Amino acid sequence: DSGVTQTPKHLITATGQRVTLRCSPRSGDLSVYWYQQSLDQGLQFLIQYYNGEERAKGNILERFSAQQFPDLHSELNLSSLELGDSALYFCASSAYPSTGELFFGEGSRLTVL
Amino acid sequence: AQTVTQSQPEMSVQEAETVTLSCTYDTSESDYYLFWYKQPPSRQMILVIRQEAYKQQNATENRFSVNFQKAAKSFSLKISDSQLGDAAMYFCAYRSGARLAGNTPLVFGKGTRLSVIA
Repeated sequence: DSGVTQTPKHLITATGQRVTLRCSPRSGDLSVYWYQQSLDQGLQFLIQYYNGEERAKGNILERFSAQQFPDLHSELNLSSLELGDSALYFCASSAYPSTGELFFGEGSRLTVL
Repeated sequence: AQTVTQSQPEMSVQEAETVTLSCTYDTSESDYYLFWYKQPPSRQMILVIRQEAYKQQNATENRFSVNFQKAAKSFSLKISDSQLGDAAMYFCAYRSGARLAGNTPLVFGKGTRLSVIA
């Protein structure tokens, strides 16, 4: 158990809909990262938050947005969903300073029909 | 931007044998971390091994070891005495700014799928 909690674990929805994925980082970790993993692909970095502020942005679509709340949990909002958005969405957290690695949650599997 | 390349999409190894997975990376930085993560069928991302760029000694974790060649920007993973439970997708990853650890994302390669043959 990495200590990072993601909900929901599985989500099935239709094209055009909007969903919210939630992440609770490890206790005390200030940084939260979101990654997308499409079928049999590597992990693509979406966005990073540090103590409530956006710190880095990767290949995140304009239809996607995220935020980190004062209690440090984070939400990833995906809107106007398309079939190609079907993927495993990982949240990870890290401490600062740290030994370098990210600690990953179990992921949220999104299926868009 | 940093890039990570894993040139072997798939590898296989006989149980109890040794296998080496390759990884190269491109960076102009001198201060960074390198990682190998394992993703079994459960899809959980599990840290296998970590290497700080400033350390010349290659990292070792039980049956897992790395060959870190900083000048060549190469970071291979050796798995000794392979076990059926080692079957998984293996990702090489780079993180810049070891002194800023905790403030930068990981950059992943596309992965190598390892099969272990009984």
